[in-house]
Amino acid sequence: SQKIEQNSEALNIQEGKTATLTCNYTNYSPAYLQWYRQDPGRGPVFLLLIRENEKEKRKERLKVTFDTTLKQSLFHITASQPADSATYLCAFNQAGTALIFGKGTTLSVSS
Amino acid sequence: GAVVSQHPSRVICKSGTSVKIECRSLDFQATTMFWYRQFPKQSLMLMATSNEGSKATYEQGVEKDKFLINHASLTLSTLTVTSAHPEDSSFYICSASTQGEGRSDEQYFGPGTRLTVT
Repeated sequence: SQKIEQNSEALNIQEGKTATLTCNYTNYSPAYLQWYRQDPGRGPVFLLLIRENEKEKRKERLKVTFDTTLKQSLFHITASQPADSATYLCAFNQAGTALIFGKGTTLSVSS
Repeated sequence: GAVVSQHPSRVICKSGTSVKIECRSLDFQATTMFWYRQFPKQSLMLMATSNEGSKATYEQGVEKDKFLINHASLTLSTLTVTSAHPEDSSFYICSASTQGEGRSDEQYFGPGTRLTVT
């Protein structure tokens, strides 16, 4: 069955460093891979979407890569700040279908 | 980005009663909306896919007679939890796609509804 894994439940880094989160998938060839931020008691907030034919996408301090050979996406937050502390979810889907989510990585940025 | 609202944000009900949750896309039309459920420290699990004007498609293990979904317009989908029990207590979240014609690119989520059944 389709499976998506985020390699760390928790990641602790210092302010100013780059946070790198990993998402791996198996038994699937997604058309889209998306990253979301979720704060406690809130719905996920869309961050970035990358398509299967794209290698990299950037938005301000965020960067996402998509390697269909490795079946992996990396999510980077550069110059991290305490306000970046949250749970980050990766998810994939095909056009018109629901998202399949990973369990999330909780990032803590200390000052 | 696109805005999706949910109402209510929190609801506490007694066992055996029914609860309706509304999901609205505020600044775009969504032919497809999705309903998810999230238990503590778990990821979002898809319950059903709601298409405007047609019956919802439910995931395996989700009872369609218990979780009634109505997608009456391009901006509104409702989820009714009928005869709620304590095990239905969860965080219910809807999402809507910004693309029509069955395509989905970015999906935007509502803020979620915390249901507690006593």
